[in-house]
Amino acid sequence: AQSVTQLGSHVSVSEGALVLLRCNYSSSVPPYLFWYVQYPNQGLQLLLKYTTGATLVKGINGFEAEFKKSETSFHLTKPSAHMSDAAEYFCAVTSSGSARQLTFGSGTQLTVLP
Amino acid sequence: EAQVTQNPRYLITVTGKKLTVTCSQNMNHEYMSWYRQDPGLGLRQIYYSMNVEVTDKGDVPEGYKVSRKEKRNFPLILESPSPNQTSLYFCASSSGSVSSYNEQFFGPGTRLTVL
Repeated sequence: AQSVTQLGSHVSVSEGALVLLRCNYSSSVPPYLFWYVQYPNQGLQLLLKYTTGATLVKGINGFEAEFKKSETSFHLTKPSAHMSDAAEYFCAVTSSGSARQLTFGSGTQLTVLP
Repeated sequence: EAQVTQNPRYLITVTGKKLTVTCSQNMNHEYMSWYRQDPGLGLRQIYYSMNVEVTDKGDVPEGYKVSRKEKRNFPLILESPSPNQTSLYFCASSSGSVSSYNEQFFGPGTRLTVL
């Protein structure tokens, strides 16, 4: 069984400030981890993913995330928030043996203040 | 352009009136899936299909049916919709190759309201 917990359903940051969105997972086998972004009235778009290898992964739009096995975490960060980053962000987990079942967190709504 | 398409994008219906939401992908993906998105709950999987004629239940299958007669299409059927099925629905597809690492591609969503 696998699960994802996203701490903070709403996060507000000022433009130019650090963005930190938290994600913790549980999985009985080595996980594949994803962050998706959903802009208003749109579908989900892949931001970045961790599969194997380097634990710090870089994605689109300046976002990155670090896989920390000891903490079972995969937090999403961006050094400087932009107004266009306002969206809902979802962390998701799957594994090679999961028949491609993707388990999502409940989402974090990011607001960027001018 | 590689994409997943869904129709309709918006639908308002009444309790008990059968409906079908279509999903089609042009990437020759083996795996397809349906999710529903509700506030505070994230996305929950309804059904998935590993390939043609192979389907299985996800986390919230009650009240839904699916079929996979062709590789590119994966329709979602609500035989007798009820108000608690009012939601935003997403179709997704993924390659069957190991190197895809289960990355899923999502359609634009279908917003369903059942009165």
